[in-house]
Parts: sequence; structure tokens; C-alpha cells
Amino acid sequence: DTEVTQTPKHLVMGMTNKKSLKCEQHMGHRAMYWYKQKAKKPPELMFVYSYEKLSINESVPSRFSPECPNSSLLNLHLHALQPEDSALYLCASSPGLAPRGEQFFGPGTRLTVL
Amino acid sequence: AQSVSQHNHHVILSEAASLELGCNYSYGGTVNLFWYVQYPGQHLQLLLKYFSGDPLVKGIKGFEAEFIKSKFSFNLRKPSVQWSDTAEYFCAVIPDSNYQLIWGAGTKLIIKP
Repeated sequence: DTEVTQTPKHLVMGMTNKKSLKCEQHMGHRAMYWYKQKAKKPPELMFVYSYEKLSINESVPSRFSPECPNSSLLNLHLHALQPEDSALYLCASSPGLAPRGEQFFGPGTRLTVL
Repeated sequence: AQSVSQHNHHVILSEAASLELGCNYSYGGTVNLFWYVQYPGQHLQLLLKYFSGDPLVKGIKGFEAEFIKSKFSFNLRKPSVQWSDTAEYFCAVIPDSNYQLIWGAGTKLIIKP
């Protein structure tokens, strides 16, 4: 299994809603990532987990809250988002945190904030 | 600061034309180089990667790339493109001192049937 799966595929939420994005991989990878991708732009790194511990938080607003319940799962909890947070949210995983670690990407969740 | 430049933001070619997409990076040390592709509505996939050894690397779907250290470049090539190659192509590097991908801005490739 060389897949990273993400649910839901699409999400529409209001600015007062609370929702969660889910990511799963069964490749035995120990590093997992959240990225935000705006149209026609490269992915922007948000968070990195290594061995279920948060390694990097790229100055992301607190309305985004990551969680890594176990080595296969990664969640992103959303609360009080703004319309400018509308984007494609990508999850990725890699064997570990290393310069030669190929990252495998999921299909993303297309988020629209009204 | 480390950065990656992709020279062409949009490229339009006819089927069977040859392709070369430019990628340059700014970092004086050892780097690991990647080309990712994002087909319309699909997830980012790795096309090819270079870590060390033969500077000409072959990837999936007939793509290849050449690492030229003296020019800090890692250009992507394909001798004959197909309509199905229409996609966004991203060059990315990871310096040997790090593990985070540094992305180029991307090149949107459109192949006319």
C-alpha cells in the first residue's frame, strides 16, 4: 500500500464551524506533514510530525490545530476559519525526516470557507 | 536564503514536441533534487529524484532530468510529449542540512492535441 488517503475530498464550512480533516497512511512512515496549496502555487508547509511528535509549526494561526493520534493517522482541526483559508490541504508522509526522504502526497481536501 | 527558480510559468506545446523545463536553485552545499507533477484533479506525484551518482536520471512516463552542478540546475526533459502530460510541474530541493522541501513556483504545461 503506497497510498496516502485524505477525507473528506471537499469541505464547505462557515466561519463559526468546527471541522476536522483526516489523513491516513499504512506505509510505516514515521514523518507526516500538512501543507496548504493555493491555486497555481506550490504547497506551503504548515506542520511536520515525526514519531507522532510535532517537529515544525510554520507560524500557522491557532485556528488550525494538528493532531497525530498514532503513527498512521494525522488530523487537522479547524475552527473559526477565514475565507482566505480556502485552499487545497495536502497531507504527505515520508519514511523519516531526512534530506533524501521522498514525500508521498495524498489527494488533498478542497476547503471552502464561506 | 535558499530558493528554487522555475523559469517558465506557462508552456504550451503541440503533441510530439520536445520538452525542457528549467529549474535552478540557490544553495552552495549538497542538495537532493526532485521533480513532482500534479495532473488536473490528482495528487502530487514524484516524477524523478536525484541524490548522487549519474547526473542524468530517468523517471516515470519517459521523463528525465540532468543535474548540472556548475550551473545549479536540474532541468526536466521529455523527447516527445503527449496530451496526457498536461499538468503542473514543480521542481523542489532539500539541502543536505535539512529535510524540508523548498519548492519552485511551478510550470503549467499545456499540450495541444
